Amino acid sequence: SYELTQPTSVSVSPGQTARITCSGDALPERFAFWYQHKSGQAPVLVIYEDSKRPSVIPERFSGSRSGTMATLTISGAQVEDEADYYCFSADSSEEHSGVFGGGTKLTVL
Amino acid sequence: QVRLQESGPGLVKPSETLSLTCGVSNFFINSGYFWGWVRQPPGKGLEWIGSVYQTGSAYYNPSLESRVIISIDTSNNRFSLDLRSVTAADTAVYYCAKATIIYTGNYYFDSWGQGTLVAVSS
Repeated sequence: SYELTQPTSVSVSPGQTARITCSGDALPERFAFWYQHKSGQAPVLVIYEDSKRPSVIPERFSGSRSGTMATLTISGAQVEDEADYYCFSADSSEEHSGVFGGGTKLTVL
Repeated sequence: QVRLQESGPGLVKPSETLSLTCGVSNFFINSGYFWGWVRQPPGKGLEWIGSVYQTGSAYYNPSLESRVIISIDTSNNRFSLDLRSVTAADTAVYYCAKATIIYTGNYYFDSWGQGTLVAVSS
């Protein structure tokens, strides 16, 4: 099975840049996907295929991947960006490959 | 726009089977996508339970594989989760989701149900 490792928490002031990392041995071969999850709501996809942003997601969200690490960057974080963020990876050719990172609590205060 | 809705009991007794169904609207379930279940225990992170393809082929989280079955019912446009021998540790919000497979074979969940809380308690 695979593992993805994230920091437990990240804290920034409004307007600062928040970076959340996700590391895993499988990442060089697989894309990373990022979800924003607020309490009581369904998760929302904010980045797919490492760095692509759904049209409904603000431009301040971006992603990158290098080697075994993927990074979600929120440039100019807003109070409303405070949430839990999860990276995810899965491959349809591998039976046990679906995995979420442990999640990172982003505090914007 | 695809809509997913979880249904099933909100309370299950220990050692029994947790059964949930995900109804899919505005989208044909046999259109070449994966369909999956994700859960979040109270105070913990998201956990992938498993995914099923339209053919019925299913992939499972190794930590749950011995207790879980995910099946698909293309006639009724829905898929289901059965988790056997539950304990309090299986108490969680359970989400069903639709997954898109990209050109590399990787896939990701792009549409989600609202989630349903299932408590395991006597």
